[in-house]
Amino acid sequence: GAGVSQTPSNKVTEKGKYVELRCDPISGHTALYWYRQSLGQGPEFLIYFQGTGAADDSGLPNDRFFAVRPEGSVSTLKIQRTERGDSAVYLCASSSGTGHGELFFGEGSRLTVL
Amino acid sequence: EDKVVQSPLSLVVHEGDTVTLNCSYEVTNFRSLLWYKQEKKAPTFLFMLTSSGIEKKSGRLSSILDKKELFSILNITATQTGDSAIYLCAVLIQGAQKLVFGQGTRLTINP
Repeated sequence: GAGVSQTPSNKVTEKGKYVELRCDPISGHTALYWYRQSLGQGPEFLIYFQGTGAADDSGLPNDRFFAVRPEGSVSTLKIQRTERGDSAVYLCASSSGTGHGELFFGEGSRLTVL
Repeated sequence: EDKVVQSPLSLVVHEGDTVTLNCSYEVTNFRSLLWYKQEKKAPTFLFMLTSSGIEKKSGRLSSILDKKELFSILNITATQTGDSAIYLCAVLIQGAQKLVFGQGTRLTINP
């Protein structure tokens, strides 16, 4: 596609439920990133994939969060046993992987945990 | 801990004014500094700066980096209502391939 696509754009769930957020990066981009943005804050790094492997998952807050990118393209961020504090906009970004930092962001998935 | 701090957090000006947004950083291994504009959800890329003292310019926007004093500024001249947005500063950490973002500056341009 022309840009980074994220689905769903909005997700409302109840505390304790499982959610999956999907990201389809720009075609040909090898690097994929997940960020989380809370209200009034800048994006906070979660995880970075280079190809199929998670090159850096140091930003995942705890073991309830997990992300995969099995074929090196689409990625899914999975959150188990959601908590109210998980409510945020989850941003996905991709880049060509040249390493200079210009990331192309999707519109984000707004997660609300009731 | 790597840290990026932006100021002011919020700024309200009138159309036509010039604004300067500030970004300071303390990181272990600097590679580049980037500015993004966030109007609704997706941040959009504005500038990438890697060398001190070289101004990057795009229309009414310009930015410069000072690697000795560890800061960058983003200038917007002759502001328009369409410039209203959150402006994010981020630093790319060498070797880590991740951006560390500041809190953002919310800029509001009143007609």
